[in-house]
Amino acid sequence: AQSVTQLDSHVSVSEGTPVLLRCNYSSSYSPSLFWYVQHPNKGLQLLLKYTSAATLVKGINGFEAEFKKSETSFHLTKPSAHMSDAAEYFCVVRNYGGSQGNLIFGKGTKLSVKP
Amino acid sequence: GAVVSQHPSRVICKSGTSVKIECRSLDFQATTMFWYRQFPKQSLMLMATSNEGSKATYEQGVEKDKFLINHASLTLSTLTVTSAHPEDSSFYICSARHPSSGNTIYFGEGSWLTVV
Repeated sequence: AQSVTQLDSHVSVSEGTPVLLRCNYSSSYSPSLFWYVQHPNKGLQLLLKYTSAATLVKGINGFEAEFKKSETSFHLTKPSAHMSDAAEYFCVVRNYGGSQGNLIFGKGTKLSVKP
Repeated sequence: GAVVSQHPSRVICKSGTSVKIECRSLDFQATTMFWYRQFPKQSLMLMATSNEGSKATYEQGVEKDKFLINHASLTLSTLTVTSAHPEDSSFYICSARHPSSGNTIYFGEGSWLTVV
């Protein structure tokens, strides 16, 4: 069975400093992994996805994530935080064993950005 | 990117009444849509998979008679919460699989349901 664990429920950074949101996964298969962002009162937006191609995945808004099989991790990073990055971030794995490939979400990490 | 729209974004209803939430894929046809529920400070949990032209597949623990799902067309799925109770108050969000975009999943904006 697949699962994801987001290690931090809340991360606070200052504007202009690096962002690191941690995610570990568990999967019996070669996983498809995603990061989604949810801004208040808005739907989920796909930041990036890993589907067994390059291990370093670049997404939108300057975010990137590196798939590390040896560490079963898929941490999300950004070199320099912007105020608009404040949101909730979800690490997600595609569930191949469930109903037609649905998504399994982590519990989310709330990112706060201080001026 | 592709657009999935949910309506209403917020709804308040009285206990015992039913409320319908719509999920539309605006610029693509989706044979498969998913309905999730998010409790406060918790992650999204899949409720059911909606298949166009056939019955929805419900996850374990989800009451199919309470959460009615209809996927009558390739662009519309509806979730009806029947005989709503205050404990049904939650954030409901749908997603749709884009068949021509590597099966990428696109999410709606979500719907806040408050049952009073």
